[in-house]
Amino acid sequence: NAGVTQTPKFQVLKTGQSMTLQCAQDMNHNSMYWYRQDPGMGLRLIYYSASEGTTDKGEVPNGYNVSRLNKREFSLRLESAAPSQTSVYFCASNAKQGDDGYTFGSGTRLTVV
Amino acid sequence: AQSVTQLGSHVSVSEGALVLLRCNYSSSVPPYLFWYVQYPNQGLQLLLKYTSAATLVKGINGFEAEFKKSETSFHLTKPSAHMSDAAEYFCAVSGARGTYKYIFGTGTRLKVLA
Repeated sequence: NAGVTQTPKFQVLKTGQSMTLQCAQDMNHNSMYWYRQDPGMGLRLIYYSASEGTTDKGEVPNGYNVSRLNKREFSLRLESAAPSQTSVYFCASNAKQGDDGYTFGSGTRLTVV
Repeated sequence: AQSVTQLGSHVSVSEGALVLLRCNYSSSVPPYLFWYVQYPNQGLQLLLKYTSAATLVKGINGFEAEFKKSETSFHLTKPSAHMSDAAEYFCAVSGARGTYKYIFGTGTRLKVLA
């Protein structure tokens, strides 16, 4: 099915471990985003990529890095996981700026112990 | 800068009653506004969007929202709640054309009582 695919769906890490969350879209969208969702805080933007070859920091980028591998793929890396990074992570994409709503992936539930 | 405030983190309605979820925004430029729905353990799904055309916007599943510039509001309504409407709802704002980032509200969890 067309859309945004995130892997893995669940992950448990120990403090200090690293991991990469993968995201791929097959809708030929230009822009891709990583958000985290925490109870009572809504969705907060971590990083985004307005187009292939560009990435920018969002509201909460500390502790994360991203790579826009190609137009389809946008990965999020945690270099040294911390308990504060326990969250649900969503990848999203859209075709054009501003007025085109996001298409979201189904999320990755990450627990750091 | 843009911001969104959703009044009421939890709203309960009886099945068949009116659903009203409140969203107020702040924006220094004409905004784009969105409502998303999230069912348990799923991603967010676009319900409807306002992009400066008609001020009354109709979405999926019988929901609609009205953009009121004077009140800086974009409240979501549905005339008659159904059990399947139980979910979390998020309002989001995007700024000027060319702005990629959406700012999301903190969400309102809707409970529908039988």
